[in-house]
Amino acid sequence: AQKVTQAQTEISVVEKEDVTLDCVYETRDTTYYLFWYKQPPSGELVFLIRRNSFDEQNEISGRYSWNFQKSTSSFNFTITASQVVDSAVYFCALSVPNTGNQFYFGTGTSLTVIP
Amino acid sequence: EAGVAQSPRYKIIEKRQSVAFWCNPISGHATLYWYQQILGQGPKLLIQFQNNGVVDDSQLPKDRFSAERLKGVDSTLKIQPAKLEDSAVYLCASSPGGLAGIKTQYFGPGTRLLVL
Repeated sequence: AQKVTQAQTEISVVEKEDVTLDCVYETRDTTYYLFWYKQPPSGELVFLIRRNSFDEQNEISGRYSWNFQKSTSSFNFTITASQVVDSAVYFCALSVPNTGNQFYFGTGTSLTVIP
Repeated sequence: EAGVAQSPRYKIIEKRQSVAFWCNPISGHATLYWYQQILGQGPKLLIQFQNNGVVDDSQLPKDRFSAERLKGVDSTLKIQPAKLEDSAVYLCASSPGGLAGIKTQYFGPGTRLLVL
């Protein structure tokens, strides 16, 4: 069975602080993909990043960075120097080829950046 | 490139009424998904289409929900009759290509349904 856990329900930080959103996944498959999506108040899920299980390289995109560690089944997301526009709900998702590309979403982490 | 389009954006109905949602995926995307997102939860897959065929509808409450994707492009999701617990955001997503491999899903803005 596939499962994604985002233990942090809500996080509040002051603008310019760094913040890390945790994601822990479960799967018995060796080939899988991990995703992060941002959901602003408007409701649309915005794709941020996709990683496959064979690529553990960390990735940085501007103020965003992702830390993928297979040893701990984690795919954490860090926002550096947070801004008010980063306020949103962030979802981590897992997809396994054997399940026909079905996504398994976590329950999301609501991030509030206080000016 | 135009994104996934959905309408209406908001809908308020009374219980036992019927409602329909429309989705137009990104041009050329063969796979289309409908999700239900209840407040405070992650999206839950209702149904997945590959072109105009159903790939997975195991979590679709078929006694009241139905969906179709005629001609393999636009899709409609219907609820008849609606219950209070159907209040949620209904998200449509699409992805390119076939079932092989993993494809990123791109989401529309969603339809917020309130059942009174």
